[in-house]
Amino acid sequence: EVQLVESGGGSIQPGRSLRLSCSASGFSLGDFSVSWVRQAPGKGLEWLGFIRSKAYGGTSEYAASVKGRFTISRDDSKSIAYLQLNSLKTEDTAIYYCTRSKYMVGFDPWGQGTLVTVSS
Amino acid sequence: QSALTQPPSVSGSPGQSVTISCTGTSSDVGSYNRVSWYQQPPGTAPKLMIYEVSNRPSGVPDRFSGSKSGNTASLTISGLQAEDEADYYCSSYTSSITVVFGGGTKLTVL
Repeated sequence: EVQLVESGGGSIQPGRSLRLSCSASGFSLGDFSVSWVRQAPGKGLEWLGFIRSKAYGGTSEYAASVKGRFTISRDDSKSIAYLQLNSLKTEDTAIYYCTRSKYMVGFDPWGQGTLVTVSS
Repeated sequence: QSALTQPPSVSGSPGQSVTISCTGTSSDVGSYNRVSWYQQPPGTAPKLMIYEVSNRPSGVPDRFSGSKSGNTASLTISGLQAEDEADYYCSSYTSSITVVFGGGTKLTVL
């Protein structure tokens, strides 16, 4: 079964950093780009960024709202992608999802999400 | 990049058809066929329903269909069923090499 599982969320104070993980199973993560998407409580989906597969350079692109604070990386040997969250703000409180795609034509599947709560 | 524009809510009775619109710009929906739609029942992760404007992944009922005209994409659900009640989101690739989502539409089956 193709599956993505996020982990690493939790409660954290403003200004601190956190790294989220996205573990893949049932397929070769290296063949796909990986995107991160978040959903604040009661709000819609917000795309954060993606990392290309190594075949396409393994580089990343980010939404303007998080560029410079968030970083996506990948370790295909472990079938894991990461989202590094720095200088966290209260407005970063959300469920963070990872998902895969080829050529950005559609995201499927999605993980179950991991909740990040930023509060003093 | 501004979010794509969707109606906040739509509703329909069982058996009827509903259409959800998704309006973008010439920098996203209007320029690319990388438009997709997602279904999200309460408390669950999004599920891909339509990709590349009008293609259905395996397992998605053919009651779901997608189309695009100019800067506006649409999702049509025919033969509404109670299980279709959920939030629906569109998304599009953009000329900035990013992805933008719509604000979401809550579908109520009356």
